[in-house]
Amino acid sequence: AQKITQTQPGMFVQEKEAVTLDCTYDTSDPSYGLFWYKQPSSGEMIFLIYQGSYDQQNATEGRYSLNFQKARKSANLVISASQLGDSAMYFCAMREGGKLTFGQGTILTVHP
Amino acid sequence: EAGVAQSPRYKIIEKRQSVAFWCNPISGHATLYWYQQILGQGPKLLIQFQNNGVVDDSQLPKDRFSAERLKGVDSTLKIQPAKLEDSAVYLCASSLPWTVANEAFFGQGTRLTVV
Repeated sequence: AQKITQTQPGMFVQEKEAVTLDCTYDTSDPSYGLFWYKQPSSGEMIFLIYQGSYDQQNATEGRYSLNFQKARKSANLVISASQLGDSAMYFCAMREGGKLTFGQGTILTVHP
Repeated sequence: EAGVAQSPRYKIIEKRQSVAFWCNPISGHATLYWYQQILGQGPKLLIQFQNNGVVDDSQLPKDRFSAERLKGVDSTLKIQPAKLEDSAVYLCASSLPWTVANEAFFGQGTRLTVV
């Protein structure tokens, strides 16, 4: 069974608009961490934002926020005011028991 | 602070040949991961070390892949013999001793092409 599911292979957004990238996860461990990474065409993996399973508030980092719905096991990434440089592959990942597992990714294209 | 270093950046080999990749993690990072990323897919964990001990190698094709982390610092990943389907980017990542909150830092990766 997939631990991390990203159902949107590709997303398009207009510059300066907001976009939501979906992520659902599966775990029975009460302690886990959720991460979002950005991978531009250059191939590097860039850490964006983290949410812990016990965190009461949604995480925010600048233009990035994580919409964490624990009961639904979803951890969607919201990017506000999209920029052309946001065009990249985005991965949701979960850490449980030390293991870090990634989803299949969503390609985001920002149009001018 | 120096990042995760990987070498080589690119490698082209013929099938049935052997190849080795090297990774130097961030100083002080006890946890080290090797991932295989096939084009258009998410990274797949091959092996995870905690210091020089293996924590998880359940997805490592042990008939052809091997990895070691001597002295709990640098690590090497070897493929012998290579197959066409091994063509991928091999990513090394490291993090502080495991808690759920510690993010993993990634190297630039090694792009392997098997012809």
